[in-house]
Amino acid sequence: DVKVTQSSRYLVKRTGEKVFLECVQDMDHENMFWYRQDPGLGLRLIYFSYDVKMKEKGDIPEGYSVSREKKERFSLILESASTNQTSMYLCASSPLRGSLLYEAFFGQGTRLTVV
Amino acid sequence: AQSVTQLGSHVSVSEGALVLLRCNYSSSVPPYLFWYVQYPNQGLQLLLKYTSAATLVKGINGFEAEFKKSETSFHLTKPSAHMSDAAEYFCAVRDDKIIFGKGTRLHILP
Repeated sequence: DVKVTQSSRYLVKRTGEKVFLECVQDMDHENMFWYRQDPGLGLRLIYFSYDVKMKEKGDIPEGYSVSREKKERFSLILESASTNQTSMYLCASSPLRGSLLYEAFFGQGTRLTVV
Repeated sequence: AQSVTQLGSHVSVSEGALVLLRCNYSSSVPPYLFWYVQYPNQGLQLLLKYTSAATLVKGINGFEAEFKKSETSFHLTKPSAHMSDAAEYFCAVRDDKIIFGKGTRLHILP
């Protein structure tokens, strides 16, 4: 089975802190995604990556950055956390850039609270 | 740009009744469509996907969806609801990225 692992299920951080959310997948997928999920807004794409060191902005990249130094790992960085970044963050991966047949596989999510 | 719209943020059905969750898509090309389910405090799990091989797609847990090009719809159904079906359901369309609807929370009444 494909496994996408997010490093934390729950995090509490202070305003202004730099926050790292880590995601690792074990199926050699090229594509990786970071979404945030808020009630009534569904899943909104923050950033995605097609390959190592490649990144593309999603719909809501402001206040976030990402890093993909290895194929299996995709990190989401909150440069200076703010209370409006309190949310559920979901990482996903899928095989083969350009292959629309494939679904994304999701991690369990990280519920981040910024106080 | 492709998009999906889910009608109804909350749907309630009685146990044993038909489940119908609605999804309409917007796409200028043949779409690749998905339904995902999310149980409380968990990630998303794929229920089924449409990839143009057949218009009626069967998924896990007794769910199925029918692709109707004329109606630009991909509604999710299950003949008989079970208490364990209570969850949030997301319709999605695949581009280079995956675009999700806002979700429908399904409540099952005893």
